[in-house]
Amino acid sequence: AQSVTQPDARVTVSEGASLQLRCKYSYSGTPYLFWYVQYPRQGLQLLLKYYSGDPVVQGVNGFEAEFIKSNSSFHLRKASVHWSDSAVYFCAVSGSNYQLIWGSGTKLIIKP
Amino acid sequence: GPKVLQIPSHQIIDMGQMVTLNCDPVSNHLYFYWYKQILGQQMEFLVNFYNGKVMEKSKLFKDQFSVERPDGSYFTLKIQPTALEDSAVYFCASSLEGTSQNTLYFGAGTRLSVL
Repeated sequence: AQSVTQPDARVTVSEGASLQLRCKYSYSGTPYLFWYVQYPRQGLQLLLKYYSGDPVVQGVNGFEAEFIKSNSSFHLRKASVHWSDSAVYFCAVSGSNYQLIWGSGTKLIIKP
Repeated sequence: GPKVLQIPSHQIIDMGQMVTLNCDPVSNHLYFYWYKQILGQQMEFLVNFYNGKVMEKSKLFKDQFSVERPDGSYFTLKIQPTALEDSAVYFCASSLEGTSQNTLYFGAGTRLSVL
C-alpha cells in the first residue's frame, strides 16, 4: 500500500541549531515528493518538491531535502533554524494520478 | 503569494443537517481539490474537480458529498445529510495544472464539528 510516514510527531530544536525532519514513503511507481509547511492559521505552503534530477533539492527559506531511493526517504533539512520556522511540516507523495498521499505531520518547536 | 480562502474557519452543526463549505481558489487556477483531516490523523484526498466535473474521488467521498463551482465563483463541498464521522478539518486546494508534480495552493481549512 502507498503511504508516507513521518515518525516524529513533534521536534524541538534550539534557535540556530540544525534540523532534520524525517520522511519515509512507500510507493510502487516513480514518486513525486513534496514538503509543505503550515504556519498557524494559514494554509499549507509548498517548501520544495522533487521528481527527477539532482536528489538534493533546494526550497524556500534555506530548506533542502534529499531523495534517497535505496532508503525510500525524503528527509527535510535546514542548517540553522529561526524562531519563525515554528510550524507543522508535512511530507507528501504523488504518482501518476492527482492524489497526494500525506504523512501525519511533524510539529516543529523552536526554543529560544 | 497566491491565496486560497476558506469560509468559515469553523462551523458547528447538528447531525443530519446540511452544510456547505466554501472555497475561493486562486483566480486563474483550473483544478480544485478537497482534502479531509480527522484530528490526529493524516490528511486524505477526497475529490478533485476540473471543467465542471469530478475527475477523481476517493472512497471517503460518500454519496452524501457533492462538489460544484457554479459560474466560476466559490468551489463548494456540500454534505447532506451530515454524520458524526464527518467531523474533521476540510482543506481546499487549487492548482493551475493537473499534473502530479504541480504545486497545490491550500486554504487554511474549515473545521467542521458535527454534534
